Amino acid sequence: IAGITQAPTSQILAAGRRMTLRCTQDMRHNAMYWYRQDLGLGLRLIHYSNTAGTTGKGEVPDGYSVSRANTDDFPLTLASAVPSQTSVYFCASSETLAGGNIQYFGAGTRLSVL
Amino acid sequence: DQQVKQNSPSLSVQEGRISILNCDYTNSMFDYFLWYKKYPAEGPTFLISISSIKDKNEDGRFTVFLNKSAKHLSLHIVPSQPGDSAVYFCAGSSGTYKYIFGTGTRLKVLA
Repeated sequence: IAGITQAPTSQILAAGRRMTLRCTQDMRHNAMYWYRQDLGLGLRLIHYSNTAGTTGKGEVPDGYSVSRANTDDFPLTLASAVPSQTSVYFCASSETLAGGNIQYFGAGTRLSVL
Repeated sequence: DQQVKQNSPSLSVQEGRISILNCDYTNSMFDYFLWYKKYPAEGPTFLISISSIKDKNEDGRFTVFLNKSAKHLSLHIVPSQPGDSAVYFCAGSSGTYKYIFGTGTRLKVLA
């Protein structure tokens, strides 16, 4: 069972370029999330999705967009990358958005914006 | 405002001894807590959870204690093993999907 697959594993990107981080899950979970992890800070929620066709903003959504065309895929797009978006990005999923649900994480994408 | 704090960035423990990782929170509405373990170049892996209606939850070598009056929880690992060396995150939620994560504690178990 793969769980959550993220691609690419790492990427170096020039500032101003567009980038899409991919996330696919095979657990048929309804809810999916994108987090960023920065040194000295905990994981911070960027965007989430309750189910296919619906998305919502998390704690740090500016500069990012998401889509949820189907249950399995939840791509994160940086329309015009800036150096402050250098981070490690984690995709996660849970059965539902309800409280008490365990979130399962992918291995992450390390992004450097120069 | 750091709602979940892990004040010890790192901890070293001898193999076989107890590891105690601490986590403090400020939001009294938190009613569910998770602990995750993270190895380098991997995503966080769920370890153990506790609901605010309990003060203890145990799973094998891992026990989480919750002190609601002190807004404090701790993860005990007994006995500690070298494979437990990782970064541990605690996270709290107030009945929703929005988990607030701490900054993590790096545990090193010395053989």
